[in-house]
Amino acid sequence: DTGVSQDPRHKITKRGQNVTFRCDPISEHNRLYWYRQTLGQGPEFLTYFQNEAQLEKSRLLSDRFSAERPKGSFSTLEIQRTEQGDSAMYLCASSPQADTQYFGPGTRLTVL
Amino acid sequence: GQQVMQIPQYQHVQEGEDFTTYCNSSTTLSNIQWYKQRPGGHPVFLIQLVKSGEVKKQKRLTFQFGEAKKNSSLHITATQTTDVGTYFCAGIDFGNEKLTFGTGTRLTIIP
Repeated sequence: DTGVSQDPRHKITKRGQNVTFRCDPISEHNRLYWYRQTLGQGPEFLTYFQNEAQLEKSRLLSDRFSAERPKGSFSTLEIQRTEQGDSAMYLCASSPQADTQYFGPGTRLTVL
Repeated sequence: GQQVMQIPQYQHVQEGEDFTTYCNSSTTLSNIQWYKQRPGGHPVFLIQLVKSGEVKKQKRLTFQFGEAKKNSSLHITATQTTDVGTYFCAGIDFGNEKLTFGTGTRLTIIP
């Protein structure tokens, strides 16, 4: 257990529904990252925050995806109008500075 | 954009044999990190290499960073069943903080 928690651990939804995931980083870490991982692939960077500021977004993050970290602590990732191609493991990681990233257990999303 | 490739994609070894995975980046990296992901688990940080030509050891694991800072390798001596998992390298470009993960090498051990 790295100290990074994610909720829920599993989410099954129907195509077209909206879903929201939460990540609670290690409390003293000011950096928080979101990744997406599909079966057999490495994690793909989606976005990251330093405190409450969202500093970079991947082109993978279409306008259906939005992430927030309102108070510089926990973060949420919302996917609107889900598609079957959104099915994946969504991983959150936190870091005290720009080096070691501590990953949470992930949220596995299945879109039917 | 930056691409990070790893070979081999899969490796099956007898317990006690050695294992090596190689990582190559399309761009020069600021640093490179290695992670291990067990089946059904999440990536766990192993090590970070920063300097050109750097070599670091952790018990049976030896990590190298190439002179040009574009390639890296992980070597495991005398594999054990606890080494099972997928090993990812992940590079960081100069001037940003995002990790670009490699394609991973999945290691299975034959007892």
